[in-house]
Amino acid sequence: NAGVTQTPKFRVLKTGQSMTLLCAQDMNHEYMYWYRQDPGMGLRLIHYSVGEGTTAKGEVPDGYNVSRLKKQNFLLGLESAAPSQTSVYFCASSPRDRDGYGYTFGSGTRLTVV
Amino acid sequence: AQTVTQSQPEMSVQEAETVTLSCTYDTSESDYYLFWYKQPPSRQMILVIRQEAYKQQNATENRFSVNFQKAAKSFSLKISDSQLGDAAMYFCAYRSARDSGYALNFGKGTSLLVTP
Repeated sequence: NAGVTQTPKFRVLKTGQSMTLLCAQDMNHEYMYWYRQDPGMGLRLIHYSVGEGTTAKGEVPDGYNVSRLKKQNFLLGLESAAPSQTSVYFCASSPRDRDGYGYTFGSGTRLTVV
Repeated sequence: AQTVTQSQPEMSVQEAETVTLSCTYDTSESDYYLFWYKQPPSRQMILVIRQEAYKQQNATENRFSVNFQKAAKSFSLKISDSQLGDAAMYFCAYRSARDSGYALNFGKGTSLLVTP
């Protein structure tokens, strides 16, 4: 049981380049999330999805797009990377229940934009 | 939107001693959940403890316990008999019980150093 898998784990981009981060979960969770973690800022929600084909903006959505074409996958795209997007990105998934026990995080992707 | 505040960027504790990490939050909701997550250098997010707002009894998990003060909107974490493996970043998080996506709302974190 892999849980939540993020690819890639590390990436260096040049300013203006584009890339897609992939998040895959095998727990049949309805909800999925993308967070970014910056020093001294905690984890901030970028976008989330409550089901296949649906996405919504979080706290810091600018410069990112997402898609959830399949229930198990949640993609985070950067169309034109900027140095301000240098961060560690975490994906998480959760079942559709209020208890919060099933919240599962991936191991993170460290992205550097130069 | 709910805000979560951790006022201690860094804390230090000696091995075998007790340390308390502070967390306050702001919400107009009456039903919600609160969490403490541990993030060691491996970056993995590990759930330490969870509290349901409608329960008055404070949650405990082995050496970890919370002091939940709903009226004061305070949720502190107490680590007893601290161990070297407790050294990590600790995040307090809020989750609404209302189904609006159930996202976690995190504080900025407290870095805990454990000294021998």
